[in-house]
Amino acid sequence: IAGITQAPTSQILAAGRRMTLRCTQDMRHNAMYWYRQDLGLGLRLIHYSNTAGTTGKGEVPDGYSVSRANTDDFPLTLASAVPSQTSVYFCASSEGLAGTDTQYFGPGTRLTVL
Amino acid sequence: GQNIDQPTEMTATEGAIVQINCTYQTSGFNGLFWYQQHAGEAPTFLSYNVLDGLEEKGRFSSFLSRSKGYSYLLLKELQMKDSASYLCAVLDSNYQLIWGAGTKLIIKP
Repeated sequence: IAGITQAPTSQILAAGRRMTLRCTQDMRHNAMYWYRQDLGLGLRLIHYSNTAGTTGKGEVPDGYSVSRANTDDFPLTLASAVPSQTSVYFCASSEGLAGTDTQYFGPGTRLTVL
Repeated sequence: GQNIDQPTEMTATEGAIVQINCTYQTSGFNGLFWYQQHAGEAPTFLSYNVLDGLEEKGRFSSFLSRSKGYSYLLLKELQMKDSASYLCAVLDSNYQLIWGAGTKLIIKP
C-alpha cells in the first residue's frame, strides 16, 4: 500500500441500507478527514480525526458516523442511506495536528443511493 | 457565512498563460491552498500561501493578498495535461479547510 486507499471504488445502494466506506493510510499521519464532493459545490467536510481515538464533526455530519480505533483506519458509516447521500466521497490525511499541513487524498468512492 | 468564489470554467490555448482567480470571505485566515483535480481523480496539492506575495514553483505560481481576500494561480507554458479542475481552499480560524467549487480549465491545441 502506498498512500491512502479507499474501498469500494463505487457502490450502488438501496435507500435505507447501512454502508461503511473504508479508508486506510500507510503514511502514519495523525489527522484524517472525510469529504463529499457534489457537482457545482466545493468539497465539504463530513467528519475528521486529529489523532487516533478522537473524532470531530465537520460541516455536514448528519447521517454519517466515524471511528478512529488506530492510526491507519478511518471508516465512514451511513447508518440508513438516503438519496441525498449520493456523492463522491474522498478520504484524506495530513501529517500533523496543525491544519496547515498538506492533505493527501485517496482515490474516492462513488456512491449512488437509489 | 464563509464563501470562496472562483470562475466555473476557463479555456486557454496550449503554450499560453492563464490566471485563475479566487476571492474569499472566511471567519479567520490561516493560509490558502491550491489543488489540482483531474476528472475522476483525487485532488493533489499544488501550493500553499500564508503570507502576501508570489510563490513560484516551476510553471505554476500562486499569489496572495490577504487585505483584498484574493489569490490567483498562474499557469505558464500550458500543456494539454493541465486540463483539470483547480480548487482554491482557505484554512479558517478553526483550522478547517473551506473549499471553492473549483475552476474547470480546458486547454485547446
